[in-house]
Amino acid sequence: EDKVVQSPLSLVVHEGDTVTLNCSYEVTNFRSLLWYKQEKKAPTFLFMLTSSGIEKKSGRLSSILDKKELFSILNITATQTGDSAVYLCAVTPHGSSNTGKLIFGQGTTLQVKP
Amino acid sequence: DTGVSQDPRHKITKRGQNVTFRCDPISEHNRLYWYRQTLGQGPEFLTYFQNEAQLEKSRLLSDRFSAERPKGSFSTLEIQRTEQGDSAMYLCASSLRGRDTEAFFGQGTRLTVV
Repeated sequence: EDKVVQSPLSLVVHEGDTVTLNCSYEVTNFRSLLWYKQEKKAPTFLFMLTSSGIEKKSGRLSSILDKKELFSILNITATQTGDSAVYLCAVTPHGSSNTGKLIFGQGTTLQVKP
Repeated sequence: DTGVSQDPRHKITKRGQNVTFRCDPISEHNRLYWYRQTLGQGPEFLTYFQNEAQLEKSRLLSDRFSAERPKGSFSTLEIQRTEQGDSAMYLCASSLRGRDTEAFFGQGTRLTVV
């Protein structure tokens, strides 16, 4: 069964700290891995990763994928209180139907204290 | 607003009642997904439409659940004879078929069954 596991489940840091969120996966046919940020309601897209070793960056956030070891990390540098959210990792299997459905991990809850 | 729209945002219902939720995807998106999210968990896939065709259903989708996308635009999710275990956030997402594209999520409908 396809599975995504995130760690830690929750994290409390102070503003200015750097955090690393982990995501490991088991999927029959891997297509892509996505990171989302969920603050109140709708998950909002952060990154899509399909190739190993290529870092994606957006401001203070960056992410990289290791398809050999089946994991990804999301880094946030110089954290701000606005980074407080649940960070969701998801994989898209590449099945014969190729539906693009997402299999999510349970999320990491990040709290950034002033 | 050109994002994914869901209605209602909140629904409180008595056990045994039927409820229906609506999702309006981004207009040019031909793929539409329904997910369910319970507290402290990541979203779980329920069902997928490509245009008007429902191409995949999760085993989580019991026979009390039905979804439609009659003209390939908006979609409805109906839950019959609601149970307390149906209480959750129901999220709709849409994406474009044909390339590795991210799914965009709506704000969700929070269902509480009392």
